Amino acid sequence: ETGVTQTPRHLVMGMTNKKSLKCEQHLGHNAMYWYKQSAKKPLELMFVYNFKEQTENNSVPSRFSPECPNSSHLFLHLHTLQPEDSALYLCASSQSGADNEQFFGPGTRLTVL
Amino acid sequence: QKEVEQNSGPLSVPEGAIASLNCTYSDRGSQSFFWYRQYSGKSPELIMSIYSNGDKEDGRFTAQLNKASQYVSLLIRDSQPSDSATYLCAVNLRGSTLGRLYFGRGTQLTVWP
Repeated sequence: ETGVTQTPRHLVMGMTNKKSLKCEQHLGHNAMYWYKQSAKKPLELMFVYNFKEQTENNSVPSRFSPECPNSSHLFLHLHTLQPEDSALYLCASSQSGADNEQFFGPGTRLTVL
Repeated sequence: QKEVEQNSGPLSVPEGAIASLNCTYSDRGSQSFFWYRQYSGKSPELIMSIYSNGDKEDGRFTAQLNKASQYVSLLIRDSQPSDSATYLCAVNLRGSTLGRLYFGRGTQLTVWP
């Protein structure tokens, strides 16, 4: 595997389900990010992890719960989502430092019924 | 409050022409600027980063930065149909924490044969 990988690529879930999104980076980076991309809206940063520590939570509802067990892996746990949470969820990674370039995974297309 | 603005387009140019994509940002102290390309149904792909005033060239792509005017642009020379995509401008704003990028809504570019 190279770059940033995400699984699953597509997910359909009901509002009462619990599911998890997984991200893995193979770039030797130490910062990882979750973004949400909805139609007609700019990319929205959700969470930032630097050396496994969460450094930013961009006022994300608690039904989204991130987990970063190490610098290479990032999870997003989902529960009791709403239909408006349907979107493309993107993971990215970078070296630490505000100037560093972020590289994105392929994303998970989530549909909440 | 919009912090990064782009013309949504669509911008349509013939094959072989120069495509010019523009982006303005609100924070005069911004330090890092990035251009991403996003094909329909895919994730953003980093194509250029620029940190200093002036031009930066990479193959057919040239990024131009003017911090005094709070303006960053991307020129694509010898445009090809394969360049047809949405181009996202991203800015790391002054005072932002690690990797906190603000994205514009993107400009949709179509290159016709």
